[in-house]
Amino acid sequence: DAGITQSPRHKVTETGTPVTLRCHQTENHRYMYWYRQDPGHGLRLIHYSYGVKDTDKGEVSDGYSVSRSKTEDFLLTLESATSSQTSVYFCAIRQGAYNEQFFGPGTRLTVL
Amino acid sequence: EDKVVQSPLSLVVHEGDTVTLNCSYEVTNFRSLLWYKQEKKAPTFLFMLTSSGIEKKSGRLSSILDKKELFSILNITATQTGDSAVYLCASNYGGSQGNLIFGKGTKLSVKP
Repeated sequence: DAGITQSPRHKVTETGTPVTLRCHQTENHRYMYWYRQDPGHGLRLIHYSYGVKDTDKGEVSDGYSVSRSKTEDFLLTLESATSSQTSVYFCAIRQGAYNEQFFGPGTRLTVL
Repeated sequence: EDKVVQSPLSLVVHEGDTVTLNCSYEVTNFRSLLWYKQEKKAPTFLFMLTSSGIEKKSGRLSSILDKKELFSILNITATQTGDSAVYLCASNYGGSQGNLIFGKGTKLSVKP
């Protein structure tokens, strides 16, 4: 258990509404990641953070923004949710010399 | 373009069978190859390999990396129904940010 929690665990929202997902970790890990997982696509990196206020884009960052104002929290925001953003979202932390990543429990987001 | 390709995409076996899952990779600045097991929840870490020819083992699961031919295999002996899951392969690549690129996974179904 890497001490990662995600909230909410499930959310249903409507197209055009803003949505924020939260990832919280308790072990002071420097690196944190947001992925989405979709059938046929596997896990794809959205954004990542390498420290407080230090973030960068991943493979599928369009339509998403992130913030990290303190070490333990990494927020993913969908400014105006679209149906194509219906997915399962996983947060991960990195630890170890070779960048092993460990995942949170996931958030299932449905955009109607 | 960096990529990780897993085969087969799905596999059905009977309890007691031995299975081999394949993962090939083409990434810049390869650092490590990781295997995860995903049941109906978050991926859980299995192995991380960095050196060619050195087998990692955990119970009935084992994995080996071939850095010359750019592939890895995951073996599961004496399969059990509890081994049914999606097995994900990921390559750690690029610079110091430790980003992973994932394959699409192999769905293993073990029948009693």
